[in-house]
Amino acid sequence: QVQLVESGGGVVPPGRSLRLSCAASGFNIRSFGMHWVRQAPGEGLEWVAVISYDGEYKDYTDSLRGRFTISKDTSMNMLYLQMNSLRPEDTAVYYCVRGSKEFDLWGQGTLLTVSS
Amino acid sequence: EIVMTQSPDTLSVSPGERATLSCRASQSVGSDLAWYQQKPGQAPRLLIYGASTRATGIPARFSGGGSGTEFTLTISSLQSEDFAIYYCQQYNNWPPFTFGQGTKLDIK
Repeated sequence: QVQLVESGGGVVPPGRSLRLSCAASGFNIRSFGMHWVRQAPGEGLEWVAVISYDGEYKDYTDSLRGRFTISKDTSMNMLYLQMNSLRPEDTAVYYCVRGSKEFDLWGQGTLLTVSS
Repeated sequence: EIVMTQSPDTLSVSPGERATLSCRASQSVGSDLAWYQQKPGQAPRLLIYGASTRATGIPARFSGGGSGTEFTLTISSLQSEDFAIYYCQQYNNWPPFTFGQGTKLDIK
């Protein structure tokens, strides 16, 4: 079954770090660009980061560059998002997404709440 | 950054009627435009890509049109399961990939 399953969300205090994981199945992530997209409660969709199919290219939305790091392990077929110095405004559902152009496969999302 | 603007914010339509949603880009994105549907508590789902190509499994009542800066999503005869939030997204000039703010399609 072709799917993406995120994990690692939860409640963390401001300033802490957290790593989200995404397990891909039914396809090989080394063949696709992969993204993280987030959605704050009651808000729209915000693209966070991209990693190219070969892992050579990574980029981020301007406001998160330097705090968030996208990576992948092709041997495990896993995508990751390392998030540092978390802020309350990072509270959102984080989606793992497949997309070399359009975003054609989404995970169910994992909720991160940054709160003391 | 390309800004995507959707209109209206909310559209109230009766089941069986036609709904037309609009999306405007702040500069040309060619045909690199996708539409997504999101229902409460669910992840978004790809409906349309390349401005007018339906994704796998998407019913024929969904159609996309436009190019450059003006795009439309039309649902020809609304079914109960179509009431949701719809987002457009450009993937022509990135980063960043940018989404519209969404149009909520409500039951009238």
